[in-house]
Amino acid sequence: ETGVTQSPTHLIKTRGQQVTLRCSSQSGHNTVSWYQQALGQGPQFIFQYYREEENGRGNFPPRFSGLQFPNYSSELNVNALELDDSALYLCASSVGSGEAETQYFGPGTRLLVL
Amino acid sequence: RKEVEQDPGPFNVPEGATVAFNCTYSNSASQSFFWYRQDCRKEPKLLMSVYSSGNEDGRFTAQLNRASQYISLLIRDSKLSDSATYLCVVPTTGTASKLTFGTGTRLQVTL
Repeated sequence: ETGVTQSPTHLIKTRGQQVTLRCSSQSGHNTVSWYQQALGQGPQFIFQYYREEENGRGNFPPRFSGLQFPNYSSELNVNALELDDSALYLCASSVGSGEAETQYFGPGTRLLVL
Repeated sequence: RKEVEQDPGPFNVPEGATVAFNCTYSNSASQSFFWYRQDCRKEPKLLMSVYSSGNEDGRFTAQLNRASQYISLLIRDSKLSDSATYLCVVPTTGTASKLTFGTGTRLQVTL
C-alpha cells in the first residue's frame, strides 16, 4: 500500500450541489496532486499543492478548488456540480515539487452526480 | 496531436505470450517517462520508470525512442495476474510536477 488515504470512497450528489473530498498524504510527503479520471480515460491533472500553496493547475474551471493543511493533508472542493463531474478523483502525494518524482496514488473517491 | 497517445486495446493474449504496447508523446523536451498499471476500479500504481534508452525489470521491459517520440512496454511470459490497464505517463517538470496520462491500454490474459 502507498500510505495515501482518501475519503469518502464513494459519494452520490445531485447537480448544483457542492462536494468536499479529502486526502491524507504518505508520511514525509509535502506535495499533493489531484486528478480526475472519467470512465475509460486516463487521469487528468486538476492541480497541485506544495507546502500549502497551489503551484500548478490543469484545465479545470474555478469551481474546482483545493486546500492543503500544515500536516500536508488536502481537500478538493467542487462547487455547482455538473453531470460530467462524475468520475474517480485521485490524489497523489510526493516529496518535493517541480521534478519528475514518483507520485503515489490513493485509492480514490468515486463521485456520481445525478 | 494529443500529448500522450496509446492504443486503447483491448489486447487479449493467452498465458505465456509476449505482448507489447506503444505510446507516443508530443513534447520532444520530455526527459523521463513512467508506465503505471491500473487494476479495475483501483488506483494507478507505478510499474516502471524510463529515464534513458530503456529499463528492464524481470518480465517487463520498457524502451524509449526519443527520435520517434515513443515509448514501448514489453511483457514476456504473460500471467493471468498481468490483466490490467497500462497507462503511459509523461511528467512535466517546472513549478509543478504534473503527470500527463495516456488513455491506457487494456490487457486481458486468458488461459
